[in-house]
Amino acid sequence: GDSVTQMEGPVTLSEEAFLTINCTYTATGYPSLFWYVQYPGEGLQLLLKATKADDKGSNKGFEATYRKETTSFHLEKGSVQVSDSAVYFCALSGYNQGGKLIFGQGTELSVKP
Amino acid sequence: EAQVTQNPRYLITVTGKKLTVTCSQNMNHEYMSWYRQDPGLGLRQIYYSMNVEVTDKGDVPEGYKVSRKEKRNFPLILESPSPNQTSLYFCASSDREGQPQHFGDGTRLSIL
Repeated sequence: GDSVTQMEGPVTLSEEAFLTINCTYTATGYPSLFWYVQYPGEGLQLLLKATKADDKGSNKGFEATYRKETTSFHLEKGSVQVSDSAVYFCALSGYNQGGKLIFGQGTELSVKP
Repeated sequence: EAQVTQNPRYLITVTGKKLTVTCSQNMNHEYMSWYRQDPGLGLRQIYYSMNVEVTDKGDVPEGYKVSRKEKRNFPLILESPSPNQTSLYFCASSDREGQPQHFGDGTRLSIL
């Protein structure tokens, strides 16, 4: 079945460092891909999305490109801030699956001043 | 304001005592889902619904029931809760397949 694998955390960075969180997927067809963010004590918020190959999703300085050839959707940010500390989830939504999101296990990011 | 509202936010209860977690969305979305979040496992879908009176099992449906009598509401029912259902639960909705889902703030259940 479809699955998502993302790099394990926790990831600890200094403020203004470059961030990459790797995400690869296995799916039939052409799923939509998402990154969600969960701040402490809160629900999940959509960070960015891409619905077809070579699409680049971006929001709040974060970017991810849908790479069909490598089945990847890595999250990047050029300069992280303390306020970016959260858990990040990569997810996919396949065709004809009732809108189900399949999540990776989440990557905790901690940014130190 | 577009939102998904879950209640209660926190609940501590005992094994075997039936409970219901309510979920309501105000966006007229067709699709609604319940997920549970456990450390190291990410989120896993419990049940989903594609429209009123249309529900189906997700990946971890055992021990749960749902209903969809109205478009806006999608309650999660634990008829006889057990300790392995202690978890953080999220309700979510979207207007169609492949689109982002809007999540509620979560319900933390502890079953003793």
